[in-house]
Amino acid sequence: QKEVEQNSGPLSVPEGAIASLNCTYSDRVSQSFFWYRQYSGKSPELIMSIYSNGDKEDGRFTAQLNKASQYVSLLIRDSQPSDSATYLCAVRDNDMRFGAGTRLTVKP
Amino acid sequence: GAVVSQHPSWVICKSGTSVKIECRSLDFQATTMFWYRQFPKQSLMLMATSNEGSKATYEQGVEKDKFLINHASLTLSTLTVTSAHPEDSSFYICSAPGQGVTEAFFGQGTRLTVV
Repeated sequence: QKEVEQNSGPLSVPEGAIASLNCTYSDRVSQSFFWYRQYSGKSPELIMSIYSNGDKEDGRFTAQLNKASQYVSLLIRDSQPSDSATYLCAVRDNDMRFGAGTRLTVKP
Repeated sequence: GAVVSQHPSWVICKSGTSVKIECRSLDFQATTMFWYRQFPKQSLMLMATSNEGSKATYEQGVEKDKFLINHASLTLSTLTVTSAHPEDSSFYICSAPGQGVTEAFFGQGTRLTVV
C-alpha cells in the first residue's frame, strides 16, 4: 500500500513567522509531488508542485524535495492569518494520493 | 488551468435511495478520473480510478457494487452511491489528472447527507 505521511499538527504559528510542513512517502518511483491548501468544505487548491530534488520557491512558499530520503516539505515565510487552512501533501505516479493533512493556524 | 465541473454541490437523500454525482471536464479530455471521499477533519481517501471505456479500479475496502462508477465519455465520469446509508454521508470529490505526471484538477466537491 502506498503511503503518504504528514506531521499531523495542528500547527500554530504567530503572524510573520515561518511555518514548516513535512511529508514522507513510501513509493520510491513516485515522480511528482504537490502541496494543496484546503479550506473546510472546499476542494483543494494547488499551492506548489515539485518534480526534482532541491528547492523551488514561489513568493512566500518554498517546496523542498529529497527523493533519496523520500521527503518533501513546504515552508511558508511571513505567515499571514489568511494562510490558516489544512495543507495536504500529494504524491503522483499512476494515481494521486494524499497525506492526512496538517491544519495550520496563523495567529494575528 | 483546466476546469472540472462537479454536480451537485450538495445533496440530501433518504436512506436506501441512490444518488448520482457527475464530473465533467469542460475544456479538456479526461481519460482518467480519480474519485475521493473525505470525512470531517480527515484527508482525501482515494476510492477508485475510472478510465474512459473500461472498468474502474477500486481501492481496497471500497465496495464496487455500492459505489458505481461510469466513465462513458472523455468528458464525463459519474459516481452513483447505491442504497445510501447515513454512514455514506461524506464529501465526495473528483479529480482529473493533467498530462503526464502534472497536477490534478479538482471538481468543487459534493456534500452528501443521508438521512
